[in-house]
Amino acid sequence: GGIITQTPKFLIGQEGQKLTLKCQQNFNHDTMYWYRQDSGKGLRLIYYSITENDLQKGDLSEGYDASREKKSSFSLTVTSAQKNEMAVFLCASSILGNYAEQFFGPGTRLTVL
Amino acid sequence: GQQVQQSPASLVLQEGENAELQCNFSSTATQLQWFYQRPGGSLVSLLYNPSGTKHTGRLTSTTVTKERRSSLHISSSQITDSGTYFCAMGQGGSAKLIFGEGTKLTVSS
Repeated sequence: GGIITQTPKFLIGQEGQKLTLKCQQNFNHDTMYWYRQDSGKGLRLIYYSITENDLQKGDLSEGYDASREKKSSFSLTVTSAQKNEMAVFLCASSILGNYAEQFFGPGTRLTVL
Repeated sequence: GQQVQQSPASLVLQEGENAELQCNFSSTATQLQWFYQRPGGSLVSLLYNPSGTKHTGRLTSTTVTKERRSSLHISSSQITDSGTYFCAMGQGGSAKLIFGEGTKLTVSS
């Protein structure tokens, strides 16, 4: 087994501010993902990284950057926070492959003032 | 683009009743995963079932790939089953999952 840790749990920023969310996993998984969940909605993929040196855009990548620092960590940067981006950001990981079950972290709740 | 439709949007049951949740998707899925989320909580993977029938505890998932649908059956529901259930699908050649909007289940005594 393993766990996914996301920091911080709550993130409050000003409109226009650059904000960074961090994710760590100890599953030794190759692939990591960032999703955004708006209130009462399903998840949408922002960025994912298939292996340590890879970075792929999801459907919601505009306004975000991502960085895979090492196999176990994957960061997401909100380049200029907007009020309509207030949501929960969820990190996930899986083994390498197209048929792999994904496991999720506890989330970071973003508030923009 | 690919779409995932879940029904019903919400479901209210008495404790002990069975629940049937449906998931339909717009293209052939090679990945199909059911998740559970408690209010304010993270996603917990319930079942990974791209085809056929799988059981775990009181949960049974049946996926019929050719008909682009999956179901999640919860037998003898309990109050602690309350929360939102998400279906997510993926296609071969991609690691991406596409999520439905969820079914909100409320179980009361």
